[in-house]
Amino acid sequence: AQKITQTQPGMFVQEKEAVTLDCTYDTSDPSYGLFWYKQPSSGEMIFLIYQGSYDQQNATEGRYSLNFQKARKSANLVISASQLGDSAMYFCAMRGLRGADGLTFGKGTHLIIQP
Amino acid sequence: GAVVSQHPSRVICKSGTSVKIECRSLDFQATTMFWYRQFPKQSLMLMATSNEGSKATYEQGVEKDKFLINHASLTLSTLTVTSAHPEDSSFYICSGRLAGANNEQFFGPGTRLTVL
Repeated sequence: AQKITQTQPGMFVQEKEAVTLDCTYDTSDPSYGLFWYKQPSSGEMIFLIYQGSYDQQNATEGRYSLNFQKARKSANLVISASQLGDSAMYFCAMRGLRGADGLTFGKGTHLIIQP
Repeated sequence: GAVVSQHPSRVICKSGTSVKIECRSLDFQATTMFWYRQFPKQSLMLMATSNEGSKATYEQGVEKDKFLINHASLTLSTLTVTSAHPEDSSFYICSGRLAGANNEQFFGPGTRLTVL
């Protein structure tokens, strides 16, 4: 079984500051994938970034980077230079060994960017 | 990225009626589609995995006779909530898997179901 833990139910951050959203995971699969999604109030799920368990380098996508620490089983999302439009729910998710499997989601972090 | 649509975006129905939700991959072929449910202020929970041309695989605790899934083509999967009750009110989101290196899933915009 897979488990995702997000320990920050909510965060307030000043605009233009960097923010780190925590995510730890647990799985027995030797190979897995880790994802971060953004869900604004409209409800759509927006893919942000992906990290494969065997990827040597931490993933980056524009202002998003994933701080992957395999030994600690953590996959924190870092957003640099936060913007007001970053205010949303953020979900960490993982997929196990089989690429055709569905995702297991954490409970999410509600991020609010303040001007 | 790839685009997935859902219809309807919002539906209100009376208790006891059935509701069909469509999920379409618009610019890619999705051999696998997934259905998730999200209750207010909660996370997404996987309900079932749908493969084109075969029966859906349901997660533990999800009633297959209540949530009928049909994946008739590589671009269309439907979820029918049969004999809906107020406790079925939720946000239903589908996703399509884009086969490739990351097997990324692209999500539809969701359908908000309210059962009176």
